[in-house]
Amino acid sequence: TQLLEQSPQFLSIQEGENLTVYCNSSSVFSSLQWYRQEPGEGPVLLVTVVTGGEVKKLKRLTFQFGDARKDSSLHITAAQPGDTGLYLCAGVNYGGSQGNLIFGKGTKLSVKP
Amino acid sequence: NAGVTQTPKFQVLKTGQSMTLQCAQDMNHEYMSWYRQDPGMGLRLIHYSVGAGITDQGEVPNGYNVSRSTTEDFPLRLLSAAPSQTSVYFCASSYRRGLLSYEQYFGPGTRLTVT
Repeated sequence: TQLLEQSPQFLSIQEGENLTVYCNSSSVFSSLQWYRQEPGEGPVLLVTVVTGGEVKKLKRLTFQFGDARKDSSLHITAAQPGDTGLYLCAGVNYGGSQGNLIFGKGTKLSVKP
Repeated sequence: NAGVTQTPKFQVLKTGQSMTLQCAQDMNHEYMSWYRQDPGMGLRLIHYSVGAGITDQGEVPNGYNVSRSTTEDFPLRLLSAAPSQTSVYFCASSYRRGLLSYEQYFGPGTRLTVT
């Protein structure tokens, strides 16, 4: 069974700090996505990475796909209270279908003013 | 566009009751899926559909049925509710677009409690 391990599980920081969350697996993925979920709502897609070594930026968020396509990281610069939420990564291996998309358990981020 | 809509938002059932969770999307997405989200377990796939008339099982299909008669609608039926089905249920849809086919657009969720 493929697993996507996310770390840390919980992160509580002050506004203005930087942070990195990780998404790791022993499997190779054809693509990997990051979502943010706020309390009481559904997850919202932030980014998809498809090329090994790819780096994508979304304002203060930087996403990187590992060279071997087995891991990914999300770095937030100067975190703000609006960044608070559950960050989920999801991926599917080569040749997989919609039924093979797996989600990590998430990193719960709290940014205090 | 309303995106993905789900009804009801909250539901309480007694053990053994049946019900249908509704899901609709207005983005003309080919793919639709149902997930459940439980504390410490993450999002787990229940059933999915790659087009009207085609459905398949995900990781945790037992106790649930689905059908897809139209591109827009993908209802989830609980046949005989059990306390283990207490969860938050999310419907999602996605484009058929190569590697981007896996980008999920989620609805707001249905919070179900079975007593």
